[in-house]
Parts: sequence; C-alpha cells; structure tokens
Amino acid sequence: SQQGEEDPQALSIQEGENATMNCSYKTSINNLQWYRQNSGRGLVHLILIRSNEREKHSGRLRVTLDTSKKSSSLLITASRAADTASYFCATDAREYGNKLVFGAGTILRVKS
Amino acid sequence: EAQVTQNPRYLITVTGKKLTVTCSQNMNHEYMSWYRQDPGLGLRQIYYSMNVEVTDKGDVPEGYKVSRKEKRNFPLILESPSPNQTSLYFCASNFGTSENTGELFFGEGSRLTVL
Repeated sequence: SQQGEEDPQALSIQEGENATMNCSYKTSINNLQWYRQNSGRGLVHLILIRSNEREKHSGRLRVTLDTSKKSSSLLITASRAADTASYFCATDAREYGNKLVFGAGTILRVKS
Repeated sequence: EAQVTQNPRYLITVTGKKLTVTCSQNMNHEYMSWYRQDPGLGLRQIYYSMNVEVTDKGDVPEGYKVSRKEKRNFPLILESPSPNQTSLYFCASNFGTSENTGELFFGEGSRLTVL
C-alpha cells in the first residue's frame, strides 16, 4: 500500500462550493506537498507544509496537517470550473529515503 | 520562462525499437527525476540524478536507462521497449540535491504507447 492515500478518489461539486480532499500517510514525515494535475498535463506544485506546521494558506487554498493522525487536508474555497483537475499529496519521509512518494490522487470535478 | 521541456509529447512505437525521451530544464536545477504515471498507481519514480554524472535508481528502474552528462539535460532511454512500458512519463527538477528541498517542477509529460 502507498505512503500517501487521498480520499475521496473522486469528488463532484457545483461551482462556488468548497472542496475538501484528504491525505493519509503511514510514517513520520519531513514535509507534505500538494500538487494539481490538469487532464494529461504535468503536475503543478500548490503548497508545501512542514511537519512542524499545522496550517498554511495560499489564495483560495488552505492546507492543514495533523501529524498525530498522520493526515492532511486540502480545502479549496469558492471553487471554479478551472479547479477541475486531479490533486495529489506527496510525502517526504526519512523511511522512504527522503524521496517524495505520491498518492493516487483525488479527481475533482467542478460543475458550472 | 522557467520550464522543464520533454520531447516527444506523444509517441507510438513497437516492441524492441530503442527510443529516447529527452528532458531539459532551464532553471539550473541540480536535481532531476523521471516518473511514470499509470491509472490507480500514482507517480512512480524511475531514475533520479542529484548532479552531473550522478544517477540512481528509483522505484521502478527495470527496462530504463538514463544519463546526466550536462546539468540541464536528463534523457530517458528505453533500450528495448515492451508493452508494459506503455505509460505517461514525466520529467521533473528541483533546485536542491534531493526532492525534499522544496517543490518539484514538472514537464508536460510524454505519452508513450508500445505495441
């Protein structure tokens, strides 16, 4: 099984609603990153949160990290059709040779 | 514009016909890496390089080769492609000497089909 697993696998919402995606991992991490991938395109870095941080914001994005539960969430507020994409968490952990390990992603569809 | 450029973007080939996917970055990054993306499996690392002439295996290196003769280029070589190498490939780079120093910059991807 993977170090990082996103939940849900797929999410469909209306434009203007908030979207929340979760990532759970198994081992202690150095940091956790979130990436977005538009269909068939390269991944784009969204935000990095370090293990000693609990929350970070970037525009309409809010990321939280709960190291006691080994989980993170990505909240997109006031979603737009352009937010339709796959979202991946990636963890950096000493147990995995300090390499980024990506989850399988959450597919978000924002309907206009 | 800062970018990672991969070529070709799309390729259909036949089993056993050697091919090379090129990757070039213009950000003077030390670290470069290749991933493959398959449905339900996320991204899996094939090979990575922390500097010129320094390369190492990732999680799924079988059937692939790489080289890092120049800092900006990191080609992926399939000496004898097989159908199980049909996938979407991504090159990525990072300013540090490993992935854990910040964000990865990804190329647009190369979709390879091996018949």
